[in-house]
Amino acid sequence: DAGVTQSPTHLIKTRGQQVTLRCSPKSGHDTVSWYQQALGQGPQFIFQYYEEEERQRGNFPDRFSGHQFPNYSSELNVNALLLGDSALYLCASSLGQFGEKLFFGSGTQLSVL
Amino acid sequence: GNSVTQMEGPVTLSEEAFLTINCTYTATGYPSLFWYVQYPGEGLQLLLKATKADDKGSNKGFEATYRKETTSFHLEKGSVQVSDSAVYFCALVTTGGTSYGKLTFGQGTILTVHP
Repeated sequence: DAGVTQSPTHLIKTRGQQVTLRCSPKSGHDTVSWYQQALGQGPQFIFQYYEEEERQRGNFPDRFSGHQFPNYSSELNVNALLLGDSALYLCASSLGQFGEKLFFGSGTQLSVL
Repeated sequence: GNSVTQMEGPVTLSEEAFLTINCTYTATGYPSLFWYVQYPGEGLQLLLKATKADDKGSNKGFEATYRKETTSFHLEKGSVQVSDSAVYFCALVTTGGTSYGKLTFGQGTILTVHP
């Protein structure tokens, strides 16, 4: 039973570029949440997708957007990258929008130069 | 808003020592509380949780008690092992319409256990 998988594992971009990160939820899960974890900090909630719609959003600018596909996989897009966007991006999946147990992927390490 | 504060780290212990990692919180509403653990190169894993005052969450020898009067959820283990070396995160979610996907995390505490 595959857990949450994220791709790529590492990524290097330049300021001003755009990036797309991908997440496949654990088998049977239909809800995906995205988090940003800066070095030495705890994860910060970006947004959550359920039934292909953004259901909740944290305090992140519109440069951060997402999408959920019919197979429940999800993408996180970041436009106009800033140096401060360098972080580990985590995806978590659950069963249902109010599912209690989250399963996290290992993350995508994004470096913006 | 919601916030979680963890004790300053890192924490370094010898095997079989007693572990305490302090966690206090501020929440609008009535939160559920969690401890997550992040082993090197792996995703966060739920370690334990408590959903109401005075509940004790426990797992793998770790325990934490939901103290509403002191707004705390300290993590304890009586005898740590080298394999417990990881980063520990305290987290909360306020229910009542907010999904469990929207967690608020503390900054994390790095635990290193030496043989």
